[in-house]
Amino acid sequence: TQLLEQSPQFLSIQEGENLTVYCNSSSVFSSLQWYRQEPGEGPVLLVTVVTGGEVKKLKRLTFQFGDARKDSSLHITAAQPGDTGLYLCAGPYNQGGKLIFGQGTELSVKP
Amino acid sequence: NAGVMQNPRHLVRRRGQEARLRCSPMKGHSHVYWYRQLPEEGLKFMVYLQKENIIDESGMPKERFSAEFPKEGPSILRIQQVVRGDSAAYFCASSPTRSEPGQGTGNTIYFGEGSWLTVV
Repeated sequence: TQLLEQSPQFLSIQEGENLTVYCNSSSVFSSLQWYRQEPGEGPVLLVTVVTGGEVKKLKRLTFQFGDARKDSSLHITAAQPGDTGLYLCAGPYNQGGKLIFGQGTELSVKP
Repeated sequence: NAGVMQNPRHLVRRRGQEARLRCSPMKGHSHVYWYRQLPEEGLKFMVYLQKENIIDESGMPKERFSAEFPKEGPSILRIQQVVRGDSAAYFCASSPTRSEPGQGTGNTIYFGEGSWLTVV
């Protein structure tokens, strides 16, 4: 069974700090996705990484896919209160769009 | 996630009643997925449907839960004789008929805003 482990589970930081969230697996994934979910809302796709070693940037967010395609990281530079939310990594299980999700990282950025 | 429409957004049911959750996929999408998010837990896959077909229901509880995606109309997730443990957020997602470029071997899926079921 493919599993995705996220760490840390909870993260509370001050505005302006940097942080990294990790998503690890013992299985190889063809791609990994990162989502952000706010309370009372559905997950919103941030990025999909496909190639081993790939790095994608989305403003202050940097996403990296491990060379072996078993892990990924999300780095946020100079975090802002608007970054507060639940960050989820997910990977496809077999084909057809079924996703396995990590348990999520609850980020709180205090002003 | 714009375009995947779920209703109702919030639903309260007494134990033993039935809950019906509806999902209209994004325009042009013929693949629908249902996920459940329990408090303090991540999203768990329930079922994957295409029009008039259940493709993968490996995440569906064996009893009381059913799903359909008819030729016309929205996808329906039906929970019969609800119990308090069914209280959760239920998310629908849809994907296009073909893989999107750069998305590897799977389709990119887009989530709706969820339906929150409370069983009292």
